[in-house]
Amino acid sequence: QQQVKQSPQSLIVQKGGISIINCAYENTAFDYFPWYQQFPGKGPALLIAIRPDVSEKKEGRFTISFNKSAKQFSLHIMDSQPGDSATYFCAASKRPGGNLIFGKGTKLSVKP
Amino acid sequence: DVKVTQSSRYLVKRTGEKVFLECVQDMDHENMFWYRQDPGLGLRLIYFSYDVKMKEKGDIPEGYSVSREKKERFSLILESASTNQTSMYLCASISRSERGNGYTFGSGTRLTVV
Repeated sequence: QQQVKQSPQSLIVQKGGISIINCAYENTAFDYFPWYQQFPGKGPALLIAIRPDVSEKKEGRFTISFNKSAKQFSLHIMDSQPGDSATYFCAASKRPGGNLIFGKGTKLSVKP
Repeated sequence: DVKVTQSSRYLVKRTGEKVFLECVQDMDHENMFWYRQDPGLGLRLIYFSYDVKMKEKGDIPEGYSVSREKKERFSLILESASTNQTSMYLCASISRSERGNGYTFGSGTRLTVV
């Protein structure tokens, strides 16, 4: 049973465009929703995270939008750059230090 | 610079061998995790530990065991390696009193079982 569904599996965006990755979850006990970024040969690293008490969180060019009633959240990358090319994982857990359930990942390629 | 260190980047083992994957963190984190990463499947939790000598099964524990004798070290053991355990293995840690830094992952061990 896949508890966090992520789409699309891959994404190609032109430099300067907006990248959008979507995730949906099933377990209403989830209380923490981070996004991780992974470059080739490296482990994933935390990019940005949100709790369900807010509908949006922005850090620089990266924004999480959260819809609690729909049990969906998404990552928006504004003004996408070639350096943003990486695999992105959404995740969810019942608390910030707890077990993370990851989506299957989105491979983003930003073309110059 | 805080980090999680996995002892091997690449490992090739034969079917039936007992395999040890080592992970050490220098951040005094209580919680440690082992994931495997496969294309199209994302990261799947194998085992986790919230304290020394404590271990809990994750989503895919079959064929694996773990050991946590010291706070900083969390070892993953493949009792009898099989070809379907060929994968990238990632270790991670986080403080029990997480303050927004998220998991710290190691760089991974790519294991090939032949």
